[in-house]
Amino acid sequence: DTAVSQTPKYLVTQMGNDKSIKCEQNLGHDTMYWYKQDSKKFLKIMFSYNNKELIINETVPNRFSPKSPDKAHLNLHINSLELGDSAVYFCASRKGTDTQYFGPGTRLTVL
Amino acid sequence: GESVGLHLPTLSVQEGDNSIINCAYSNSASDYFIWYKQESGKGPQFIIDIRSNMDKRQGQRVTVLLNKTVKHLSLQIAATQPGDSAVYFCAESRGYGNKLVFGAGTILRVKS
Repeated sequence: DTAVSQTPKYLVTQMGNDKSIKCEQNLGHDTMYWYKQDSKKFLKIMFSYNNKELIINETVPNRFSPKSPDKAHLNLHINSLELGDSAVYFCASRKGTDTQYFGPGTRLTVL
Repeated sequence: GESVGLHLPTLSVQEGDNSIINCAYSNSASDYFIWYKQESGKGPQFIIDIRSNMDKRQGQRVTVLLNKTVKHLSLQIAATQPGDSAVYFCAESRGYGNKLVFGAGTILRVKS
C-alpha cells in the first residue's frame, strides 16, 4: 500500500522517559512534517524536513528532536517526557506544492 | 463517542440534506486552502483544496467557496451521508515549506 505510516500507534510511558515515534512514506514525497493534536483536537505544526533538511521548527521544547535519515523517513525523538506531551502526533508528507497527506497518528500517553 | 467533552462547533444534519461548514482564516497572505476530514482514531484525510486565484472549486459531492474579501472559507457537502460524520478542519498554507495552519474544527453529525 502507498501511504504514510507511523509506529507505534499507541505509546504509553512514564514521565521522564525517552521515546521515539517513527514515520515512513513510500509516496516519493520530498517534504515531511510532524504535527501535534491536543485533547481539544487542535492541530499544530512542529517540524518540517525537505530532502533531509530542517525547514520549519516551530516553538517546540528542545526535548523534541526530529531526525530524517533519508527522504522517506522522519522520526521524532522525545527526551524527558512530561505529562503535557500527551497528545496524538501526526506525520505528514508532501510532494512539491501538492497537498499534505497524513499518517494514522500515534497516541502518546504520559503517566 | 470521541466527541464527548470536545467543545467544537457542531453541525447536525439529516441524512440527505446539504451541509455547509464555515471557516474564517487569519492571514490575507495565505494562498492555498484545504479542507480535511478526520474520523475517529484516524489521521486527517484530504477532501478538497483551492488556491487564492479561485473563488469556487467543485469535487464529488463537495464544493469549496473562498471569499478573500472577508477571509472566509466554506465547505458544502451535498446529500450528506452517515459516512460523512467526522470532524472537519480547514487549513491555510503560508510561507516557505507550505506550513499548514489549521482552524479549530467542526463536528459534523449526520442523523439517519
